[in-house]
Amino acid sequence: KAGVTQTPRYLIKTRGQQVTLSCSPISGHRSVSWYQQTPGQGLQFLFEYFSETQRNKGNFPGRFSGRQFSNSRSEMNVSTLELGDSALYLCASSLVGRVSDTQYFGPGTRLTVL
Amino acid sequence: AQRVTQPEKLLSVFKGAPVELKCNYSYSGSPELFWYVQYSRQRLQLLLRHISRESIKGFTADLNKGETSFHLKKPFAQEEDSAMYYCALLGSSNTGKLIFGQGTTLQVKP
Repeated sequence: KAGVTQTPRYLIKTRGQQVTLSCSPISGHRSVSWYQQTPGQGLQFLFEYFSETQRNKGNFPGRFSGRQFSNSRSEMNVSTLELGDSALYLCASSLVGRVSDTQYFGPGTRLTVL
Repeated sequence: AQRVTQPEKLLSVFKGAPVELKCNYSYSGSPELFWYVQYSRQRLQLLLRHISRESIKGFTADLNKGETSFHLKKPFAQEEDSAMYYCALLGSSNTGKLIFGQGTTLQVKP
């Protein structure tokens, strides 16, 4: 079956702009988590959505937001972009987010803020 | 605070040598721990989880609650094991929140 897909794969934006990233989970998966990966901070949890509801949130400012649709596809939005938002954004999906569920990661969206 | 620490950024060994990638955690409850691996130009993928007590590609990891550690071990390293390894802790039970360590690059030299 198809893996987790993320679009677009690469983005270049300028400071102050906003951006929307998309994640399509594996068919049947209802939990989608988002992570930010940077050389300095490593992999940091942004938020998790399950059944269209945000179930967990990491320590990121309110400029970072997300949502999940009824088909489990998820989007994350970053408003008023800052240089420090340049990162690889990963999403991961799992069946329902239980301990026994494997999280499958997408290839990521590389965001560059100029 | 929930935290995962991987003290080594880079671990370089020769083929056939034993490997131990260190991971320490801080968690107030009963931890659920994982090792993820990222090979060059590939996606991050699950290597093993402690609740399964399994051995994948010759790797094992034992949870030591006394030392709050979950070190990854392999008796004989292979060149194809060269990759980035991340230790991760499930932040809350029954959710998809993973807390990752900073990662260790394993380099296996021929």
